Amino acid sequence: RKEVEQDPGPFNVPEGATVAFNCTYSNSASQSFFWYRQDCRKEPKLLMSVYSSGNEDGRFTAQLNRASQYISLLIRDSKLSDSATYLCVVKGAGTASKLTFGTGTRLQVTL
Amino acid sequence: DAGVTQSPTHLIKTRGQQVTLRCSPKSGHDTVSWYQQALGQGPQFIFQYYEEEERQRGNFPDRFSGHQFPNYSSELNVNALLLGDSALYLCASSWLTGGYSSYNEQFFGPGTRLTVL
Repeated sequence: RKEVEQDPGPFNVPEGATVAFNCTYSNSASQSFFWYRQDCRKEPKLLMSVYSSGNEDGRFTAQLNRASQYISLLIRDSKLSDSATYLCVVKGAGTASKLTFGTGTRLQVTL
Repeated sequence: DAGVTQSPTHLIKTRGQQVTLRCSPKSGHDTVSWYQQALGQGPQFIFQYYEEEERQRGNFPDRFSGHQFPNYSSELNVNALLLGDSALYLCASSWLTGGYSSYNEQFFGPGTRLTVL
């Protein structure tokens, strides 16, 4: 079983749609959780951290359920520029701990 | 302020050869992590260097080795290349000693795309 599992997609949605991505992780000792965005043939970039209380950044909302070991990302009012691969990432305890990535979910927003 | 830089951007090698990839961290960062990203997959952690020592290692064979220099830059070496080593190799830097924080963001470089023929 992979440590971080995501639906690879692709998700094809029209502009203005709301889309949700889910992710599960297997290591209950994981301490920190993130969503990264990766454009085609580019490096991953941090989109947002994910907190148990849920957090929002503009059109993006992230949720964490530690009991179910489940992470989600909701994108409202999708833009063409949101087209990318979204990587679910978990990190163990300690500032030096490695990042463990899911395979990524590809989003394509169309006119 | 320069971000993370990597060289070369692309590289083509044949099976059995050896390769060295280079990374310069973001200014002020002291920790370098290397990741391998195969096509259609997420990045996989190779190892991390801090204070010129390998601090953590992922599930990669000994053919993968590295080094960190006093200026915090780093090299990734891969010996006896296999076709399966073809991937995007990403370097990420962070600031381990930057203070008490549960997360010091890792900034990624643009990667080196390695093709093994």
